Amino acid sequence: DGGITQSPKYLFRKEGQNVTLSCEQNLNHDAMYWYRQDPGQGLRLIYYSQIVNDFQKGDIAEGYSVSREKKESFPLTVTSAQKNPTAFYLCASTPGQAYSNQPQHFGDGTRLSIL
Amino acid sequence: GDSVTQMEGPVTLSEEAFLTINCTYTATGYPSLFWYVQYPGEGLQLLLKATKADDKGSNKGFEATYRKETTSFHLEKGSVQVSDSAVYFCALMDTGRRALTFGSGTRLQVQP
Repeated sequence: DGGITQSPKYLFRKEGQNVTLSCEQNLNHDAMYWYRQDPGQGLRLIYYSQIVNDFQKGDIAEGYSVSREKKESFPLTVTSAQKNPTAFYLCASTPGQAYSNQPQHFGDGTRLSIL
Repeated sequence: GDSVTQMEGPVTLSEEAFLTINCTYTATGYPSLFWYVQYPGEGLQLLLKATKADDKGSNKGFEATYRKETTSFHLEKGSVQVSDSAVYFCALMDTGRRALTFGSGTRLQVQP
């Protein structure tokens, strides 16, 4: 079955450490997104990529970085500059711009905590 | 910028009660509108969508109508079940980034 796989499910970060969250999709979607969810709140956009080798900052990009070297992969790095990284991180994808009204599909998320 | 406002929860109902979760939005242009559902510890699942004014999205007994005149997309279900207990998010998709702007979510608790 096609879908989005996020790993790991749980991740712990030490002070001053960078950690990378994996997101892989086999839906053949062009666009991929990273969102952050804090308790009792909606999701906020961190980064997005409409096409391979291109990505754009979202609304809360500070302290995060991404790459898009392959269509199916969009890893997110939480750097030590992100002072409050504890959150639930969700990756999503959607078909290309020719399908502008198609919904986003979501992975099951990675929960990041500080040690 | 774009924004979505939905009623705060938790909403607690008895099984077979009628459900309404209010959602209003502010956006330029005519965004697509969505309802997503999140079960504990999981990602978001699409519940229904509407892409233009007066469209009605429906799925699993849930319905919502895109009302441009009131900028609303209220979620309704005629008879809720215990299995409907979850957090429900209203969202709009902007036409440029095609990213979603979410409301803060409404937790629904259905008691047997």
